[in-house]
Amino acid sequence: KNEVEQSPQNLTAQEGEFITINCSYSVGISALHWLQQHPGGGIVSLFMLSSGKKKHGRLIATINIQEKHSSLHITASHPRDSAVYICAVSYNTDKLIFGTGTRLQVFP
Amino acid sequence: EPEVTQTPSHQVTQMGQEVILRCVPISNHLYFYWYRQILGQKVEFLVSFYNNEISEKSEIFDDQFSVERPDGSNFTLKIRSTKLEDSAMYFCASSVLRGSTGELFFGEGSRLTVL
Repeated sequence: KNEVEQSPQNLTAQEGEFITINCSYSVGISALHWLQQHPGGGIVSLFMLSSGKKKHGRLIATINIQEKHSSLHITASHPRDSAVYICAVSYNTDKLIFGTGTRLQVFP
Repeated sequence: EPEVTQTPSHQVTQMGQEVILRCVPISNHLYFYWYRQILGQKVEFLVSFYNNEISEKSEIFDDQFSVERPDGSNFTLKIRSTKLEDSAMYFCASSVLRGSTGELFFGEGSRLTVL
């Protein structure tokens, strides 16, 4: 069964802390997406990865294809980073299979 | 910056009624999708649409659901006879490339409440 597991489910941090969110999947994928869901519900795409590492501002995403694992890092976290971060994968089809998300709260 | 827009933002309907959710994808995108998220659960794929036809659908997307791109700009999801369990947030998304390889752009969602 194609499962996507995220950890932790909930994460609380102080402003400025370095954050890591993990994602594991069960079988080989064609691409992995990191998404951010705002408190109001809207979803924004952060990264799409099939190998290696990508960086955008304070966000870094890495993927290890052999270990079937990806991480999303947030450097110098800020309260505005508070959101649900979702990992989703695709298997050479149109659909994405979503993880349950990691709820991040960053306090000042 | 171009964005995917969805209407209505919230719709309340009675069980058994027909509902149409509307989406305007980004203009140069070729692939269109509907996803849904039941409250407290993860996002689930419903259907993808390319070249004016369904390219993939999930087991959730049964005969009660249909999609259409009636005029080259709108992309609609119709639920013919709503059930209580259809209550969810419905997200439209679009992409230039196929979903497995292209970045997806999501709308803000349409919250459907079935009473």
